[in-house]
Amino acid sequence: RKEVEQDPGPFNVPEGATVAFNCTYSNSASQSFFWYRQDCRKEPKLLMSVYSSGNEDGRFTAQLNRASQYISLLIRDSKLSDSATYLCVVNRWNDMRFGAGTRLTVKP
Amino acid sequence: SQTIHQWPATLVQPVGSPLSLECTVEGTSNPNLYWYRQAAGRGLQLLFYSVGIGQISSEVPQNLSASRPQDRQFILSSKKLLLSDSGFYLCAWKAGGNQPQHFGDGTRLSIL
Repeated sequence: RKEVEQDPGPFNVPEGATVAFNCTYSNSASQSFFWYRQDCRKEPKLLMSVYSSGNEDGRFTAQLNRASQYISLLIRDSKLSDSATYLCVVNRWNDMRFGAGTRLTVKP
Repeated sequence: SQTIHQWPATLVQPVGSPLSLECTVEGTSNPNLYWYRQAAGRGLQLLFYSVGIGQISSEVPQNLSASRPQDRQFILSSKKLLLSDSGFYLCAWKAGGNQPQHFGDGTRLSIL
């Protein structure tokens, strides 16, 4: 079993749609959680940290459920520029584990 | 502010040739440093990480090696490249504890 598992995707949605990505992790001792965005042929970039109480940054909302070892990312009012691969990342001390990513394509 | 520099951006090497990729971080001290490889259409594979000068942990057996000669310098090397070494190589740094990682621009390596 992989340490971090994500929806395989791809997700193809129209502009303005709401889309949700899910991620599960296997190590219950994991301490911090993140979502990264990776554009084609580019490096991953931090999108947002994920806090236990849930957090929002504009159109993006992240949730964490430690009991179920589950993380989610919700994107509202999708833009063409949101098209990318979204990576779920789980950290324990200095050990960062990445999911394989979920590909999102937003279409006009 | 902190910055991370990785070079070269692209590299084409023949099979059996040596490799040296360099990564440096500015604006912080004692960062944790990481080397990843990403094959086309695949996820990130952690190759090496370092929590201090001279301290290298290897995640997978391979013909690559890493060194950290200075606090903010991380080098990925190979004595003889294989075709399977092709990929997108990414260096990353993070502060200790629960901080996120930050990536360099990456090196796209093609082996001929």
